[in-house]
Amino acid sequence: QKEVEQDPGPLSVPEGAIVSLNCTYSNSAFQYFMWYRQYSRKGPELLMYTYSSGNKEDGRFTAQVDKSSKYISLFIRDSQPSDSATYLCAMKEGSARQLTFGSGTQLTVLP
Amino acid sequence: KAGVTQTPRYLIKTRGQQVTLSCSPISGHRSVSWYQQTPGQGLQFLFEYFSETQRNKGNFPGRFSGRQFSNSRSEMNVSTLELGDSALYLCASSTGQETQYFGPGTRLLVL
Repeated sequence: QKEVEQDPGPLSVPEGAIVSLNCTYSNSAFQYFMWYRQYSRKGPELLMYTYSSGNKEDGRFTAQVDKSSKYISLFIRDSQPSDSATYLCAMKEGSARQLTFGSGTQLTVLP
Repeated sequence: KAGVTQTPRYLIKTRGQQVTLSCSPISGHRSVSWYQQTPGQGLQFLFEYFSETQRNKGNFPGRFSGRQFSNSRSEMNVSTLELGDSALYLCASSTGQETQYFGPGTRLLVL
């Protein structure tokens, strides 16, 4: 079983919809949680970064971390066609240097 | 600030050859991490360098090696290339703390 599980999709939604992306993990030592967006043929772009449990909002994006359930989410409000990409969750232990990634969810927002 | 740069962007090699990839981190960042991304395995950590020292290494064979220079630029070398080494190789830079910023990657095709 992988340390980080992420539904690969693909997920297709109409423009303006609220998108929910999720990851579960098994390593209780993970303390830092990130969401990256990766467009085709590009490197991952950091979207959101949170430490421990709680919510963080940045514009149309909200990241939630529930450490008790080992579950993290990314919500995208008022989704746009430009949000069409692969979304990767990543996490790391407090003192670790390496990130452990989910497999990515492919999202398409239809105009 | 300029982002992470990687050269070359594309490479085609044949089995048995060796390859060297280069990464220039964001100015002021002293930590450089390397990841391999494939459709089957996703993003996997290769190694991390900080101030010219390898601090952490992933589960890859010894054919994969790297180094970091005094200006924080890093190189990754793969010797005796195999077909399975075909992948997108990503470099990420950070200050050595939590967040990592990725470059566009080098796409390697081994024939």
